[in-house]
Amino acid sequence: DTAVSQTPKYLVTQMGNDKSIKCEQNLGHDTMYWYKQDSKKFLKIMFSYNNKELIINETVPNRFSPKSPDKAHLNLHINSLELGDSAVYFCASSATQETQYFGPGTRLLVL
Amino acid sequence: GNSVTQMEGPVTLSEEAFLTINCTYTATGYPSLFWYVQYPGEGLQLLLKATKADDKGSNKGFEATYRKETTSFHLEKGSVQVSDSAVYFCALSDLTDSWGKLQFGAGTQVVVTP
Repeated sequence: DTAVSQTPKYLVTQMGNDKSIKCEQNLGHDTMYWYKQDSKKFLKIMFSYNNKELIINETVPNRFSPKSPDKAHLNLHINSLELGDSAVYFCASSATQETQYFGPGTRLLVL
Repeated sequence: GNSVTQMEGPVTLSEEAFLTINCTYTATGYPSLFWYVQYPGEGLQLLLKATKADDKGSNKGFEATYRKETTSFHLEKGSVQVSDSAVYFCALSDLTDSWGKLQFGAGTQVVVTP
């Protein structure tokens, strides 16, 4: 059974386009996260939602907008994609302030 | 602020060798410490964790002890296998700060050769 799933797994797109990445968890967790992993494997948190409320918003360009329609879903919409947005984006979930479990990642390549 | 420093890779060793990956941290509160592993082309998996000083986390032959006096959480395995080739991330989560967001080290790539 998949615990944290993300779609799509791969995303190749042109500069300037708008794209969305979706995340779903079936663990019953109430907190979800988005992380970005750059080409050097460095991981940094972007956003976190607890019970559909935004609780962490790191220094991320306004072009990135998270949306949590319910506790089990956290989507990431990116406007006007730039070359520097190319990365692997990981979704994670946890019970409040407990261990985080990660999805398989979405590999975004902006051309 | 909180931070995690881990040894740079890649670390290359032969099968059955002893593995140590050093990890030190700085934190203002009382963090929980984690090791995550990322196999090629995959997401992150929790390898082990420790939530308070002197706790030892262990899993799949890997161990790490939370040492408050040296602010360290070094990962060790006595006899590695080719299947242990991966990137290993040390991380901390400080529950007194920002809802327990994970602060990661830079990752250490481990390559085990037959």
